[in-house]
Amino acid sequence: DTAVSQTPKYLVTQMGNDKSIKCEQNLGHDTMYWYKQDSKKFLKIMFSYNNKELIINETVPNRFSPKSPDKAHLNLHINSLELGDSAVYFCASSQDLREGLNEQFFGPGTRLTVL
Amino acid sequence: ILNVEQSPQSLHVQEGDSTNFTCSFPSSNFYALHWYRWETAKSPEALFVMTLNGDEKKKGRISATLNTKEGYSYLYIKGSQPEDSATYLCALGFDAGGTSYGKLTFGQGTILTVHP
Repeated sequence: DTAVSQTPKYLVTQMGNDKSIKCEQNLGHDTMYWYKQDSKKFLKIMFSYNNKELIINETVPNRFSPKSPDKAHLNLHINSLELGDSAVYFCASSQDLREGLNEQFFGPGTRLTVL
Repeated sequence: ILNVEQSPQSLHVQEGDSTNFTCSFPSSNFYALHWYRWETAKSPEALFVMTLNGDEKKKGRISATLNTKEGYSYLYIKGSQPEDSATYLCALGFDAGGTSYGKLTFGQGTILTVHP
């Protein structure tokens, strides 16, 4: 069974559209994250949630809105998509917020292409 | 801005060679250092989480050391095999007042290719 899953794997859409990426983990973890892999291949943190509570909110346009209906899910909704949003988005989870000492488990990534 | 630098950017070795690469980071506000292995078309997988200066961790043929005072970590692979080919990422958790909140700053990675 996949520990951290994301859907869809690929998303191609037009500028201006609104889209969502879903993430689910079956590891029983408390903490979930969204990362963006930028054009230089760096993984950059966008958000983290711990037990459905927002913990990290990096300098991300407010067109990006995470939603955590329960601690096993962290979805990413993006409004008014722009060309620069094209990237690979990774979801991850860790057991808890134990001071950054817990390894993170990553999903397979969602490749978003905005045309 | 917190910079985590990895070198070299890429590395080609022959099967059986031992190799190592470096992760450099600001030594102030250190909290934890993570190493991840990222194979093509897969997700990053954790190798080590290190916190103490002088720490050394080992998993099979892969080991890592940590120097928090001078701000670097080395990853070693002994007797490289083609299946070791991957991107190796390090990531820094820094101290934001007694906690890092789980936030990791990743380096760009070292791409290792092991030729049979």
